[in-house]
Amino acid sequence: AQKVTQAQTEISVVEKEDVTLDCVYETRDTTYYLFWYKQPPSGELVFLIRRNSFDEQNEISGRYSWNFQKSTSSFNFTITASQVVDSAVYFCALSEAPNTDKLIFGTGTRLQVFP
Amino acid sequence: AAGVIQSPRHLIKEKRETATLKCYPIPRHDTVYWYQQGPGQDPQFLISFYEKMQSDKGSIPDRFSAQQFSDYHSELNMSSLELGDSALYFCASSSGGTSGTQYFGPGTRLLVL
Repeated sequence: AQKVTQAQTEISVVEKEDVTLDCVYETRDTTYYLFWYKQPPSGELVFLIRRNSFDEQNEISGRYSWNFQKSTSSFNFTITASQVVDSAVYFCALSEAPNTDKLIFGTGTRLQVFP
Repeated sequence: AAGVIQSPRHLIKEKRETATLKCYPIPRHDTVYWYQQGPGQDPQFLISFYEKMQSDKGSIPDRFSAQQFSDYHSELNMSSLELGDSALYFCASSSGGTSGTQYFGPGTRLLVL
């Protein structure tokens, strides 16, 4: 069965610290997509990144980086030099497209960055 | 860039009333998705439409129905509202069918009293 686990419920850091959010997924499909979304206190869901199962290259975008490892079924997200504006709930999600439309979300990790 | 538009942004209803939520996808997006997010929970998939046809169905109650219109906007109709229906309802859209990235709207916050 498909499942996404975000074991860290809440993380608190001080500004400028680096922080890694963990995501472990389960799927029987060989083709799938992984996503990270950010949900700030205002409530909207903001797309951050998408990875397909055939692309294990790590990605860096500014202060954000993602590490995808199929061997451990993990798709971890690191924020370097965190800022107060990074405070939000971060969701990892799995899509088993094209077999299904739905995104399966993890339970989210609430990140609080203190000044 | 244009984003997904949802209306209304906030809605207060009484038990047993009906509600209609509207979603306007990003221009040229052909697929629309609906999700429900309860307080402190992750979003749960309800239903999706591709080219105006229902393409997938999740944990959507029988009291809810949805459709996608010829202009690609979608409406989620909710009847016999219950207290447990209070939640944030998101619409998302994508292009290229199910393999496209889902971009979410700001959500409609529904409160059932």
